[in-house]
Amino acid sequence: QKEVEQNSGPLSVPEGAIASLNCTYSDRGSQSFFWYRQYSGKSPELIMSIYSNGDKEDGRFTAQLNKASQYVSLLIRDSQPSDSATYLCAVNNQGGKLIFGQGTELSVKP
Amino acid sequence: EAGVAQSPRYKIIEKRQSVAFWCNPISGHATLYWYQQILGQGPKLLIQFQNNGVVDDSQLPKDRFSAERLKGVDSTLKIQPAKLEDSAVYLCASSLYAGSNTGELFFGEGSRLTVL
Repeated sequence: QKEVEQNSGPLSVPEGAIASLNCTYSDRGSQSFFWYRQYSGKSPELIMSIYSNGDKEDGRFTAQLNKASQYVSLLIRDSQPSDSATYLCAVNNQGGKLIFGQGTELSVKP
Repeated sequence: EAGVAQSPRYKIIEKRQSVAFWCNPISGHATLYWYQQILGQGPKLLIQFQNNGVVDDSQLPKDRFSAERLKGVDSTLKIQPAKLEDSAVYLCASSLYAGSNTGELFFGEGSRLTVL
């Protein structure tokens, strides 16, 4: 079992729709969770962090965490073509190592 | 504020040759990471430095990969001899705090290696 798992996609949504990206992790002792965005040919950049159960909103982005289910998600409201990228889920495990999932490719169609 | 600098951006070598990548982190960042990202996969941590000491190198293939961070600032990652499966982007990242608990890593543009 991979430590951090994501659907590789591609996930295609129309412009203006909600994009939902999901991630599960195996280390139950993990305490901090992150979403990075990576445009094609570019390096990852941090867009969201979440540390406690529930929702955290930042503009059009909402991160959701459920530690009991070992599940993290990212919702992007009013999706724009500029949101087209690969979204990487990253989890800080008990050993303090930041583990990345394989990424979900999102395509927002005009 | 200057970002993480990496060089070279691109490198093409034949298998069994050697290659070295250089990274200069953001000024003041104590923690430096080297990640390997194979096409279509997420970044995989190779080695993590705290100042000039190694925190984690459990996934570094030590028979062919080596890394150092002299004086706790810039770092070099070397591959010798290279294999075809080493073709990847090598990402250097830095963070202000140890243990990456904030998860806020700043990545360089990466060094793309192609092994023929």
